[in-house]
Amino acid sequence: AQRVTQPEKLLSVFKGAPVELKCNYSYSGSPELFWYVQYSRQRLQLLLRHISRESIKGFTADLNKGETSFHLKKPFAQEEDSAMYYCAGAGNMLTFGGGTRLMVKP
Amino acid sequence: GAGVSQTPSNKVTEKGKYVELRCDPISGHTALYWYRQSLGQGPEFLIYFQGTGAADDSGLPNDRFFAVRPEGSVSTLKIQRTERGDSAVYLCASSLEGGIGGYTFGSGTRLTVV
Repeated sequence: AQRVTQPEKLLSVFKGAPVELKCNYSYSGSPELFWYVQYSRQRLQLLLRHISRESIKGFTADLNKGETSFHLKKPFAQEEDSAMYYCAGAGNMLTFGGGTRLMVKP
Repeated sequence: GAGVSQTPSNKVTEKGKYVELRCDPISGHTALYWYRQSLGQGPEFLIYFQGTGAADDSGLPNDRFFAVRPEGSVSTLKIQRTERGDSAVYLCASSLEGGIGGYTFGSGTRLTVV
């Protein structure tokens, strides 16, 4: 079965520190993977997808097929990055991980 | 519309009652998805429509849950004989066919069963 795992419920860092939000997947074939973000009192929104290899708001994520991972990284965290982050994999529908709350302290 | 609209934003109901949750997708999006999000968890898939038909309803937890999309646009999620465990945020998303371009989510309906 398709499965996405985010091992950390909470990640707390200071402003300016590097951030890595972990995501591991279990999929048959070549998965399409995404990161979604939910800021306080806002709806869930797409942050980035692996297929476009883009950088959004300074975040990047690389698909590592050997480690079956799709970790989200940012070299210098900002306070406005504080939010819930969800990794998701696409089959017929998106399958989400449990989410990681990122808290960036001043 | 400009985005995915879900109504009501909040619903409090008594145990055993029937509720309907509405989702109005982005115009032109043929795919529509329902998810349920319990506190501290990620969104959990319920059902997916492609046009008017349910392409995959494997996530519906039991036969108290049912969803329709009669004209291929607005969808209604129906829950019969509600239980306290049904309390959650119910999310709707829409996309072009096959999820191309990604999903656009609504702001959700927070259902509380007392």
